[in-house]
Amino acid sequence: QKEVEQDPGPLSVPEGAIVSLNCTYSNSAFQYFMWYRQYSRKGPELLMYTYSSGNKEDGRFTAQVDKSSKYISLFIRDSQPSDSATYLCASSNTGGFKTIFGAGTRLFVKA
Amino acid sequence: DVKVTQSSRYLVKRTGEKVFLECVQDMDHENMFWYRQDPGLGLRLIYFSYDVKMKEKGDIPEGYSVSREKKERFSLILESASTNQTSMYLCASTLGGDRDNSPLHFGNGTRLTVT
Repeated sequence: QKEVEQDPGPLSVPEGAIVSLNCTYSNSAFQYFMWYRQYSRKGPELLMYTYSSGNKEDGRFTAQVDKSSKYISLFIRDSQPSDSATYLCASSNTGGFKTIFGAGTRLFVKA
Repeated sequence: DVKVTQSSRYLVKRTGEKVFLECVQDMDHENMFWYRQDPGLGLRLIYFSYDVKMKEKGDIPEGYSVSREKKERFSLILESASTNQTSMYLCASTLGGDRDNSPLHFGNGTRLTVT
């Protein structure tokens, strides 16, 4: 079993939809949770960074962590074609070191 | 903003060649990392460095070596390139320090093809 599991998709939604991206993890020691966005032929770009359980909001993006169920979510409101990318979830018990990544979910937002 | 720059976006090399991938960061970060990214396998850590001249093996170090002579520069070396090293290579950095919990900041990657 991988330490961080993520459905690779692809996920296709119409413009304006609410998108829900999800991951599960197995290591109870993970304290830091990240979402990265990766456009085609580019490096991953940090989108959200949270510590422990709870919600964090940044504009149209909300990251949610439920440590009791080991579940990580990213919600995108009012999705735009420019949100079309691969979204990687990641977890760590020490921040940068030993970050474990999910395989990434490919999202397409259709105009 | 942190800037992590990888010198080449695309490289094509022949089997058996020695290959150098270069990475520079401009934010005085202590820690630097090399990952490779393959479809279905995600990102896998090859090597990391927490200080000049210091290096640690990651999960898949075989066939690779690294060099960190200056704080801002971290090089990945493929001693004798093979076709199974065809991949996207990503360099990243973090702030560093004893209790570093800062996230990874990535460069734009080098897509290496070995023929």
